[in-house]
Amino acid sequence: GQNIDQPTEMTATEGAIVQINCTYQTSGFNGLFWYQQHAGEAPTFLSYNVLDGLEEKGRFSSFLSRSKGYSYLLLKELQMKDSASYLCAVLNRDDKIIFGKGTRLHILP
Amino acid sequence: ETGVTQTPRHLVMGMTNKKSLKCEQHLGHNAMYWYKQSAKKPLELMFVYSLEERVENNSVPSRFSPECPNSSHLFLHLHTLQPEDSALYLCASSGGLGGSGEQYFGPGTRLTVT
Repeated sequence: GQNIDQPTEMTATEGAIVQINCTYQTSGFNGLFWYQQHAGEAPTFLSYNVLDGLEEKGRFSSFLSRSKGYSYLLLKELQMKDSASYLCAVLNRDDKIIFGKGTRLHILP
Repeated sequence: ETGVTQTPRHLVMGMTNKKSLKCEQHLGHNAMYWYKQSAKKPLELMFVYSLEERVENNSVPSRFSPECPNSSHLFLHLHTLQPEDSALYLCASSGGLGGSGEQYFGPGTRLTVT
């Protein structure tokens, strides 16, 4: 089967750093996405990784290890507006996108 | 208008009704998608269209019927739905299938079936 695992909820403090992990088992791999979704809103694209390593984009970075079926999203200098759900999604060999359930991140002042 | 738009934003319908959801993208994309988002479940891909041709149908019940008249418009026709079909229905578009084609999502239609 195809499975994407990420923690259901996490809590962090404003100004701190948080790492959201994602592990996957899919039929082939053509890339991994991270999306941010605020409550009641549509998901918005954050990052795309297809090669191993770290991709940095401002306060957000995404890491991928294909051999381990593992990715993480790193958020630095947390702000209250970062409170949202973060969705990990994988493109399998058929270019079918499969989403995880999302990690709800709570930021405390 | 820019981006991906969806109408209506909210819809309440009885199980015997027929209604349609509409999605429009103004991004010049070639692929469009319908997703269902239920509480505490991952986003479920329902249908994929590429260049107005359906390329994916994820074992969706026939009471959901998609239509893609052109690359900018996508419809989801609904009939004889069940209460468990109540969910947020999201439309998305991308430049093409797969690769680094990030998907742009519409705001969704919140559907309640009574």
